[in-house]
Amino acid sequence: SQQGEEDPQALSIQEGENATMNCSYKTSINNLQWYRQNSGRGLVHLILIRSNEREKHSGRLRVTLDTSKKSSSLLITASRAADTASYFCATDSYGNNRLAFGKGNQVVVIP
Amino acid sequence: GAVVSQHPSRVICKSGTSVKIECRSLDFQATTMFWYRQFPKKSLMLMATSNEGSKATYEQGVEKDKFLINHASLTLSTLTVTSAHPEDSSFYICSARDGRGRQYFGPGTRLTVT
Repeated sequence: SQQGEEDPQALSIQEGENATMNCSYKTSINNLQWYRQNSGRGLVHLILIRSNEREKHSGRLRVTLDTSKKSSSLLITASRAADTASYFCATDSYGNNRLAFGKGNQVVVIP
Repeated sequence: GAVVSQHPSRVICKSGTSVKIECRSLDFQATTMFWYRQFPKKSLMLMATSNEGSKATYEQGVEKDKFLINHASLTLSTLTVTSAHPEDSSFYICSARDGRGRQYFGPGTRLTVT
């Protein structure tokens, strides 16, 4: 069964704006990861945040993790047209060697 | 970064035939590989976990006799869709896990069964 579940929303924003998407999950995790997928392509790993971390940055990406609420958010600052893609969170649970993916958020950045 | 390849990238087959998809880790050894299936505008659904030299572990609801997985070496896993039907049409993605626990995803294979 899929553990990570994003809010099933599509985002359409203007270039330069920030994009925020959320992810919720159901069980304890070892880490949570965010991936990007361009249409019809494979997944690109963006960032990993461990269960003992609350916030992590990577370039224009900012990820937060709230283990008490079992939720995470991904913020893309100063969006670009090239950021147009689907974004998935995936959880890696303790003792579980598998990633459980959420539904994904489709982000469209309008030039 | 590590590279995982899939072959073919696209395949069209007739109903009732079998199709084999290869997943290779090109610059690292992967003791574990994973096969996912993705429907249009949907998320990835884990089908099975493949460990080198042993039988694959299938997720609930995935028919092991229909989706044959062979992890023959530390760099190659294959998924064979047997007696394919139109409902098997999907995007199949593999991933390979390195010794540090990091997963790398292949570019996917688009299967269309006519």
